[in-house]
Amino acid sequence: GAGVSQTPSNKVTEKGKYVELRCDPISGHTALYWYRQSLGQGPEFLIYFQGTGAADDSGLPNDRFFAVRPEGSVSTLKIQRTERGDSAVYLCASSAFMTPDTQYFGPGTRLTVL
Amino acid sequence: DAKTTQPPSMDCAEGRAANLPCNHSTISGNEYVYWYRQIHSQGPQYIIHGLKNNETNEMASLIITEDRKSSTLILPHATLRDTAVYYCIVRGYNNAGNMLTFGGGTRLMVKP
Repeated sequence: GAGVSQTPSNKVTEKGKYVELRCDPISGHTALYWYRQSLGQGPEFLIYFQGTGAADDSGLPNDRFFAVRPEGSVSTLKIQRTERGDSAVYLCASSAFMTPDTQYFGPGTRLTVL
Repeated sequence: DAKTTQPPSMDCAEGRAANLPCNHSTISGNEYVYWYRQIHSQGPQYIIHGLKNNETNEMASLIITEDRKSSTLILPHATLRDTAVYYCIVRGYNNAGNMLTFGGGTRLMVKP
């Protein structure tokens, strides 16, 4: 079946610009996670959605980062006033709401801020 | 969630078993051991998880010691495509929705 998809696969932007990254979870998965992975590091948690609401946004680094999931399926991660330090691979994962749940990851979006 | 310790790198000959160790000495009773791997330029891929008993699926086997303080992921017949970073993650289970906390992982190089 279809896995988690993310678009675009690559995004190059200039410092100060606004970007949106999209995640399509596995159909029927109610939980959705965003992670960020810098070069040579493991992924780091950003935010978790259960349905439409952000259940845990403790990993967002500052208020320039925001994410939405208005209909409980597709999610968009939004970054305002991008900085060079935001350059990373942004990963999305989804899971069915069950115990234990297993997170399945998408291929990621590589963001480069020039 | 309990901290895990893994060797930073390992080599394995193609066709041989790859045994990847993980220490999680502070694991508590309701925490699972999860393994993911990440092949270069791809998202992490779920491999297997377990609580107390050994587990096996089409990808690998997970051996958890009786005291649960360590575990070993076994790839029975490693291929070149198994070259990846392998992450051992201990995950609390108070409710669904817990984040994954990735450490440094083990970089496995499978050689011909």
